[in-house]
Formats: sequence, C-alpha cells, structure tokens
Amino acid sequence: DQQVKQNSPSLSVQEGRISILNCDYTNSMFDYFLWYKKYPAEGPTFLISISSIKDKNEDGRFTVFLNKSAKHLSLHIVPSQPGDSAVYFCAARATSGTYKYIFGTGTRLKVLA
Amino acid sequence: KAGVTQTPRYLIKTRGQQVTLSCSPISGHRSVSWYQQTPGQGLQFLFEYFSETQRNKGNFPGRFSGRQFSNSRSEMNVSTLELGDSALYLCASSLLGSTDTQYFGPGTRLTVL
Repeated sequence: DQQVKQNSPSLSVQEGRISILNCDYTNSMFDYFLWYKKYPAEGPTFLISISSIKDKNEDGRFTVFLNKSAKHLSLHIVPSQPGDSAVYFCAARATSGTYKYIFGTGTRLKVLA
Repeated sequence: KAGVTQTPRYLIKTRGQQVTLSCSPISGHRSVSWYQQTPGQGLQFLFEYFSETQRNKGNFPGRFSGRQFSNSRSEMNVSTLELGDSALYLCASSLLGSTDTQYFGPGTRLTVL
C-alpha cells in the first residue's frame, strides 16, 4: 500500500518556466512533509519542508503548497534552471507515534536549456 | 561540518553471502535511519536507531538487521543475500529524529550476483 504517491514518473520543462511536481498521500495522520532532490550517484538532498499547520512554505525559487483536505502537496520551482534536473522525492510522516518517513517513488525532472 | 558518510560506496556479493554496511552520521546527530532504494520503488524504510536503540522498523525480513554504537555510528547487516537485495542502501541522520530533517549519505550500491 503506497501511502505517498508521485504519479508522474517524469516531467520536462523549459528553462525559465515553472516546474510543478505533485505528491498525494493517503494517511490523514501525516503532518510533516518534505521534498528531496537526488542527483545520480548521490544521496537525496533536503530541499524544503512544510508542517500541516501551514499551507505554503517558500524558500527562494522553491515553494511547497499543502492542501490537507485533498491530501495533496506540490513543489513549485520558479524559474526552473538546468541544474534543477534531478529526481525529486516527497516524503511524509506523522510526528506522533511512529518516527519513520514514507517516501514517494520520485519524479524525474528534466529542465531543457 | 562533515556530512553523512557511508562505506563502502560499492559492493559486489554473491547469493547466500552476508554483507555489512557502515554509516557515520553528522556530528551531534543521534538518529540514524536506513533506506533501500530500488528502481520504481522509491525509498523503502528499513529501520531507525536512536541512542543505540532501534526505535522503528520497516517491513523487511529478519535477514536485515542493524545496530548503533555509542558514538552514533551505525551498521546494517544483510544475511543470506538474495538477488532482489541488489539496491542502493541509504543512510540518513538527524539531530533528534522526531521532527528534524534527515540528511542523507551518498549510499552504498550493493550488487548481488
């Protein structure tokens, strides 16, 4: 049972445009969400997080939106740059009880120059 | 501050053998989690250690085990290797492990022949 889903395995975007990566979750107990970026042969790198008490968090070119009623979060990258080409994972956890993070299967973003 | 380090980076074993992977967390981090990454499956949580105690465990068979030492370094062991164990094994550390962000190492690529 995949509790965190990234339904788009890949996405191509033109340089300078907006990249929108989506993530859906099923467990209503999740209240903390993160996005990671992963380059080949490297471990995932933390990008941005959001707590369920917020619906938006921004850090430079990266913004994460959370829609709790829809159990959906998205990562916006504006403007997209070729260096953003990587695999992006969303992760979710419940801050009470279990301490484990549940990861999605990832979306491969390709930013075209 | 040095990041999370994992050794070895690459490993080739044959079926039936056992393997031990090592992870050194960021200095001061007390929580270490292990993940298995395979194509199409995202990151699957193996287990988490905090202050030398296993705090959480994923849905993996008993062939997968781990431990944490007093200096927070962690080892993961897989016995009786199977072909399906071929994967990238990632270690992540965090300060307290509850709501803190996890920081990943580069991973150990295990190939089972």
